[in-house]
Amino acid sequence: NAGVTQTPKFQVLKTGQSMTLQCAQDMNHNSMYWYRQDPGMGLRLIYYSASEGTTDKGEVPNGYNVSRLNKREFSLRLESAAPSQTSVYFCASSEMSLLGSPLHFGNGTRLTVT
Amino acid sequence: GQQVMQIPQYQHVQEGEDFTTYCNSSTTLSNIQWYKQRPGGHPVFLIQLVKSGEVKKQKRLTFQFGEAKKNSSLHITATQTTDVGTYFCAGLGYNNNDMRFGAGTRLTVKP
Repeated sequence: NAGVTQTPKFQVLKTGQSMTLQCAQDMNHNSMYWYRQDPGMGLRLIYYSASEGTTDKGEVPNGYNVSRLNKREFSLRLESAAPSQTSVYFCASSEMSLLGSPLHFGNGTRLTVT
Repeated sequence: GQQVMQIPQYQHVQEGEDFTTYCNSSTTLSNIQWYKQRPGGHPVFLIQLVKSGEVKKQKRLTFQFGEAKKNSSLHITATQTTDVGTYFCAGLGYNNNDMRFGAGTRLTVKP
């Protein structure tokens, strides 16, 4: 099993460009999450999907949109990238439909916005 | 909103020395989780604590959850070079939709 797979691994965007980060899990987990990680700030939740068909805002949702395409896939879209969105983005999944279940993380996407 | 503070930010130890990182929440927590992230890697789940005063051990790692469920600690006995990485706590509030990560403690171990 691959676990949680994220693509791409690296991306450089210019201010104003758009892109979608892809995430898929093969563990049949109900819940999926998108976090960003910045130096000295730990991981901050952008959006999560407790179950297929639902999405909710996390701590830092501004500038992002998400789609829970099916039970396996959860994508994150930046419509108009800004330098403040330079970060490492992690997708995660958990078995139970509540925050507080152990999270399984993907390998991350390192995004630079110039 | 809920805040989770973690100290220290960095810790450098000689191999064989002990290491402790502390996590403090501004509010009472439903549970707390600990993760380890190796340099260049992704966070990996270590353990979850749920009960007041709970203590759990994993080999050389000891995890504690405070009696008031507002603080937690991770203690590593006799560190090894394989312990290098950043250790994060993540606390879940009682409304079940607000789990906040601490900023992490970065551990380096000198052989």
